[in-house]
Order: sequence, then structure tokens, then C-alpha cells
Amino acid sequence: DIQMTQSPSSLSASVGDRVTITCRASQSISSYLNWYQQKPGKAPKILIYAASSLQSGVPSRFGGSESGTDFTLTIISLQPEDFATYYCQQTYSTPWTFGQGTKVEIK
Amino acid sequence: EVQLVESGGGLVQPGGSLRLSCAASGFTFSTYSMNWVRQAPGKGLEWVSYIRASDSTIYYADSVKGRFTISRDNAKNSLYLQMNGLRAEDTAVYYCARVGPKSYAMDVWGQGTTVTVSS
Repeated sequence: DIQMTQSPSSLSASVGDRVTITCRASQSISSYLNWYQQKPGKAPKILIYAASSLQSGVPSRFGGSESGTDFTLTIISLQPEDFATYYCQQTYSTPWTFGQGTKVEIK
Repeated sequence: EVQLVESGGGLVQPGGSLRLSCAASGFTFSTYSMNWVRQAPGKGLEWVSYIRASDSTIYYADSVKGRFTISRDNAKNSLYLQMNGLRAEDTAVYYCARVGPKSYAMDVWGQGTTVTVSS
């Protein structure tokens, strides 16, 4: 199985901060990497698919990039509604696996 | 409005069975592959099962293989998950999710249904 190692597991940030979350795959997954946002008690929501493509309707302050087996989710200017947990997911091969999540909290 | 609505969750004893349903609306269900994903209390997301739209190819996570069965009824715009031999570790919120056209990303999610396995 492909392991997805996500870091950090949590972070504290202020409104307006630039936030970076990283996900490392245990092997090559091409660009089959997606990012989701989940708020408490709610279903996850897709933000980024195929490593760097912004899902329709998602604000442009969210961005994704890749370098080999390292993938990054960047929030350029954190907004109050962005405080949530973020998950990466590889869909290169089954079982499709998620990172353990990054909780973004208010500083 | 594109929507997925799960139902069928509840409290069941270890070793018991439950059938989850997911009703789709607002899109052509038969043309989309579908997933079940679960989330144990206070834990992260775990992919459970996938069914392809085109040929009903099916995949399962090892943790549920041989116990869970995914199926779909395109005439009823519905997805199902038959869960047998339930264990305490199957306790979770179960989400159905639509597989979008790119990167197998899940672009539409239901609100989830809670399964609790306990005596």
C-alpha cells in the first residue's frame, strides 16, 4: 500500500498568514494527489485535484504543487473560514490512502 | 442541485449486519463511479470501497474485504454498502462520494450516516 505522510499534524496561524501543508508519498504516484478540507461535523470538500488543479468554486488563495513524491497545499492568505482539517489523498493505486490530516487552528 | 443522501446507519451488535444506502440526485448517476469512505470517531478518513460506472469493477480496502459488498442500482439512482460481520472497529461515519472526472477525486459527498458497533 502507498503511505501518505502528511505534516504538520496541526498548526496555529493567524488570519492573513501564508500556510503550507506537505504530503509525502512512499512511492511515485504521478500527479494522482487530491486535497480535501473538512470542518467539524461536516463532510470533506475537494479543494485541489491532480496535485495542482483548483476545483471549480474554490477560492484562488488555495494552491497545490508537486515535486517528485512531495506535494504541497498552500493557502496564500488564511481567512476565518479556512480553519479546518486538511487531508491529502493518493488515487494512483488502490487502496486509495489519505494522509493523517492537518488541523489548522486559530492563533 | 447535485446531492447525495446516505441512510441506514444505526447501532448494531458485533457480528451483525447493516445495509447502507446512498440516494443520488441532480446528476446522471449511471455515468459516475462511486466510493464509500468512513471516518472513525476523532480519526482521519479511510477509503472503503469503489464501484466503477462503466463496468461495475469493484475494489475494497483490505480491512473490509470479504465482509462488505458494494453495489449500485442505476435505475434507482442508488448506491449500497452491505456490511456483514461487523466489528467494533467498523464504528464510523460512512460517507458516499462521487468520483469526479479527473484524478479520481471525490467531488460530491453525502452528509454521512453513523454506524455504531457495540454490545
